[in-house]
Amino acid sequence: GENVEQHPSTLSVQEGDSAVIKCTYSDSASNYFPWYKQELGKRPQLIIDIRSNVGEKKDQRIAVTLNKTAKHFSLHITETQPEDSAVYFCAAPYSSASKIIFGSGTRLSIRP
Amino acid sequence: GAGVSQSPSNKVTEKGKDVELRCDPISGHTALYWYRQSLGQGLEFLIYFQGNSAPDKSGLPSDRFSAERTGGSVSTLTIQRTQQEDSAVYLCASSPRGGNSYEQYFGPGTRLTVT
Repeated sequence: GENVEQHPSTLSVQEGDSAVIKCTYSDSASNYFPWYKQELGKRPQLIIDIRSNVGEKKDQRIAVTLNKTAKHFSLHITETQPEDSAVYFCAAPYSSASKIIFGSGTRLSIRP
Repeated sequence: GAGVSQSPSNKVTEKGKDVELRCDPISGHTALYWYRQSLGQGLEFLIYFQGNSAPDKSGLPSDRFSAERTGGSVSTLTIQRTQQEDSAVYLCASSPRGGNSYEQYFGPGTRLTVT
């Protein structure tokens, strides 16, 4: 069915350490995988995305990896900072309808 | 340029009343989405419009929910006979094309409270 599973639901890391959030999708036709960040009381905003023709994409401290065979994709944040504290959502489109389905979210907390 | 706007920002209504929520997408964006976000929860897909195609209504939770998009621009989400479980933030997003490869731009949301 149309489902995007996201883990963990909450994550607490020491400032400066790395954080990894993982998602699994079910539609093998999906070819675009965005990650959104939602700060408290604000709207979700795109932070990085990846197309299915590449396995990894980096943007400064943020990277996304994709394993199409296993239908997994992950967000990696290195050298975490207090401003990284937020809820992160992965998403994937479903088949010809192209509707975007979101994961359940990961609440990331950065400990000082 | 102007982003996605939604109105009202807050709506308090009594159980059983109907409500209309409005979304003004970014000009030229052909795709428009409605999501529902309950407190501390994820983004629940409701409905998707793409150009002049028939909308994908597969996420609407009941027949009390409906949505229109007039002239390929403004969209209205209508909830009839509201229930307390309808209380949530309703987010609208637009995209320059369909969901396969383009960023979604979210509006600020409408916080609906059903008393």
